[in-house]
Amino acid sequence: EIVLTQSPATLSLSPGERATLSCRASQSVSSYLAWYQQKPGQAPRLLIYDASNRATGIPARFSGSGSGTDFTLTISSLEPEDFAVYYCQQRSNWPPDTFGQGTKLEIK
Amino acid sequence: EVQLVESGGGLVQPGGSLRLSCAASGFTFSSYWMHWVRQAPGKGLVWVSRINSDGSSTSYADSVKGRFTISRDNAKNTLYLQMNSLRAEDTAVYYCARDPRGEWGPDAFDIWGQGTMVTVSS
Repeated sequence: EIVLTQSPATLSLSPGERATLSCRASQSVSSYLAWYQQKPGQAPRLLIYDASNRATGIPARFSGSGSGTDFTLTISSLEPEDFAVYYCQQRSNWPPDTFGQGTKLEIK
Repeated sequence: EVQLVESGGGLVQPGGSLRLSCAASGFTFSSYWMHWVRQAPGKGLVWVSRINSDGSSTSYADSVKGRFTISRDNAKNTLYLQMNSLRAEDTAVYYCARDPRGEWGPDAFDIWGQGTMVTVSS
């Protein structure tokens, strides 16, 4: 089973700042990695798939990069609505479709 | 509007059973793989089970294998999760999610329901 490790667990930033979230896989997942955003009391929302493709309707300030075992989600300039929990998910070797443990992006 | 709506959650005693439903609308349900994902209170997302588009192939997380059964009725546009021998650790919000598998859309879970809460407690 592939294990995904996200860092940091919590990231404290201010609106307008740049956010960089990391996801590391225990073995190569090629580019088969997705990112999701979850706000309190809501279902997850797909942001990025295949490591770097934005899902429909996702603002351009969200970008994904990486391949193999190391991946990054970047939010170029934080908006108030971006403060949430972010999860990565590997789609390379399933089942199971494993998720990372999440990174909480909080307002500083 | 593309939508998934879960139902069937509630309070059940340890060892009991529950069947969750996920009603799909606004898209061709029979073309998509579907998944169940759960989230215990204050915890992260955990994949539970998946079923292919025609229901002929299923997979389960080790933690639920032999206790949970995923199924679908494409004529009714509905996904199910039959949960037996429930344990306290099964307490979670259960989400259904659509998976285009890169054929009809992204290779990711692109549409999620709002979730239904399952509480296992005496």
